[in-house]
Formats: sequence, structure tokens, C-alpha cells
Amino acid sequence: NAGVTQTPKFQVLKTGQSMTLQCAQDMNHEYMSWYRQDPGMGLRLIHYSVGAGITDQGEVPNGYNVSRSTTEDFPLRLLSAAPSQTSVYFCASRRPGEPNYGYTFGSGTRLTVV
Amino acid sequence: AQTVTQSQPEMSVQEAETVTLSCTYDTSESNYYLFWYKQPPSRQMILVIRQEAYKQQNATENRFSVNFQKAAKSFSLKISDSQLGDTAMYFCAFMKHFSGTYKYIFGTGTRLKVLA
Repeated sequence: NAGVTQTPKFQVLKTGQSMTLQCAQDMNHEYMSWYRQDPGMGLRLIHYSVGAGITDQGEVPNGYNVSRSTTEDFPLRLLSAAPSQTSVYFCASRRPGEPNYGYTFGSGTRLTVV
Repeated sequence: AQTVTQSQPEMSVQEAETVTLSCTYDTSESNYYLFWYKQPPSRQMILVIRQEAYKQQNATENRFSVNFQKAAKSFSLKISDSQLGDTAMYFCAFMKHFSGTYKYIFGTGTRLKVLA
């Protein structure tokens, strides 16, 4: 099993550009989330999904959009990148009904907005 | 608001010795889950150990164990027989029910360096 796969691993954007961070999991996990990691702040929840067609906002959703058309994929879109979105982004997934096992994380995408 | 505090930004330990990383959290909930994650330079978030709040027995995974004090809201990680490969950032995380799912509240991390 590949687990949670994120692409790209690194990306540099200019202010105002748009892009999509890809996340795919092959574990048939219904629950998926996006977190961002900033220095000195731990990880914070951006958006999450409890199944195909269902998404909702986390703690820091501004500037990001998500969709969930399939169980496997949960892309994160930046519509107009800003320097404040420079961060490391993690996608994570888990099965419902098993919160005690926590989430499985992807390897992250380091995004720099100049 | 729930918070997770890791009061030690950096720590170091000699190879083969024991080190304890501290974590305290603040919540009014009675049902939650606690985790320690390791993040090596590769950036991957690796689950080290987990603890259900309703379980009194402290979790153990090989050289890693926790001291879970529910009343004190403390969840420290002990690493025994430290190895060079244990060098990493360690994050304490509290997971709580949130709008039909569960979400993490992470601490700010402790950077651990194991010295040869």
C-alpha cells in the first residue's frame, strides 16, 4: 500500500498564482483532512471531509478551497497565492469509527510564495 | 479553547540514555485521544504512541512509553535507550470530536537531538 500520497513535494509560486496540491489515499479511508505546519505553531486544520461529496472548514480555511469527488482524492486549491500561505501542507486520512488509531499522514508539500 | 503545551523547545540526550519530553493539555472534555508524533528531517509525520483518555494504563511501544496523568492533564513521552535515529521533532497531539469527525490540536513541538 502506498498510504497517503501528496504531490508535489516542493513548489514555488508567485503571489497571485493559483495551484492545486494533490492528495490521494489507497486505504479506502472516508475521513480526510488538510493541515498546514508553520514554524512555532504546530499543525492547524484547514479543511476536512467525512466522505465523497462532503467537505467543511477547519480552523484556517481562508484562501483555500477543497472538493471531494471520490473517496481516494482530496485536492487543496489555492486560488490566489499569498506570502502568508508559505507553509508545509499535510494531507491525512483515517477510517471512521477508529479515532484511537489517529490519522495517517502524507509526506507533505513545502510551498513557498514569493 | 483547547490547547497543547510543550514547554521544552529543544532537548538533547546521550545515546543509550533515557529522556522525557513533557506535554500538558487543556480541555473540558472527558473523551479524547492523545498521540505523540515524530517528524524527522524527511518531514514525514510518524505515529510513535497513542493513548485513549478512558484507559488508565500507560501505553508502551518498545522503547517508547508515556506517563498519562489525566487529572493533571499531562502526557509525557519517555524514550529509553535513545538511538541516533530518534533525532527528530516530536509533537504531542490531542484529538477531539469536531463537527462529525475528529481533529487534532498539536503542540508546538520539541526538537530532540541524540548525541553520539
